[in-house]
Amino acid sequence: KAGVTQTPRYLIKTRGQQVTLSCSPISGHRSVSWYQQTPGQGLQFLFEYFSETQRNKGNFPGRFSGRQFSNSRSEMNVSTLELGDSALYLCASSLEAVAKNIQYFGAGTRLSVL
Amino acid sequence: AQKVTQAQTEISVVEKEDVTLDCVYETRDTTYYLFWYKQPPSGELVFLIRRNSFDEQNEISGRYSWNFQKSTSSFNFTITASQVVDSAVYFCALINTGTASKLTFGTGTRLQVTL
Repeated sequence: KAGVTQTPRYLIKTRGQQVTLSCSPISGHRSVSWYQQTPGQGLQFLFEYFSETQRNKGNFPGRFSGRQFSNSRSEMNVSTLELGDSALYLCASSLEAVAKNIQYFGAGTRLSVL
Repeated sequence: AQKVTQAQTEISVVEKEDVTLDCVYETRDTTYYLFWYKQPPSGELVFLIRRNSFDEQNEISGRYSWNFQKSTSSFNFTITASQVVDSAVYFCALINTGTASKLTFGTGTRLQVTL
């Protein structure tokens, strides 16, 4: 069974641009969550999608948005990029959007904002 | 609000030594789940174990063992006879049942195992 796939693996953008990251969950998983990892703030929850609906959102500005498609694939968008958005963005999938389910992570997208 | 504390930022051991990674958590909920993940240099978080708040039984999986103590709000992870391949950053995490899939992570412990 294929794991969580995130594309692209690396991105370089400049301030003010926007970026879209993609996540394909494990087959059969319907919940997708996104996390941002930086050296200063560590791993922080961005948002979670289940059945194409955002179920939970972390404490991030509105420049960060996402969506989920009917096949459970998810995209994350960051508009008007800032230097501080440079981070490793990790996507995780689980069977359902319940606490007990194990979240399986992808290898991440490393975003550098210049 | 919940919080996970991993006080050890970095640990260095020589291969075959035993090492324990500490994790202390805070939550007001009575039902919650605790996790440990491993992050090798490749970046992917690899799931190691899940424990629910009602199950304080310790668990052993090969060279890995976990000690969960609700009385001290701790969920410590021990690697026996460490190997170079164990070198990674290890994260402890917590989910409350009321916050669905929102994992709260500790800051991680970097383990360096040398020959």
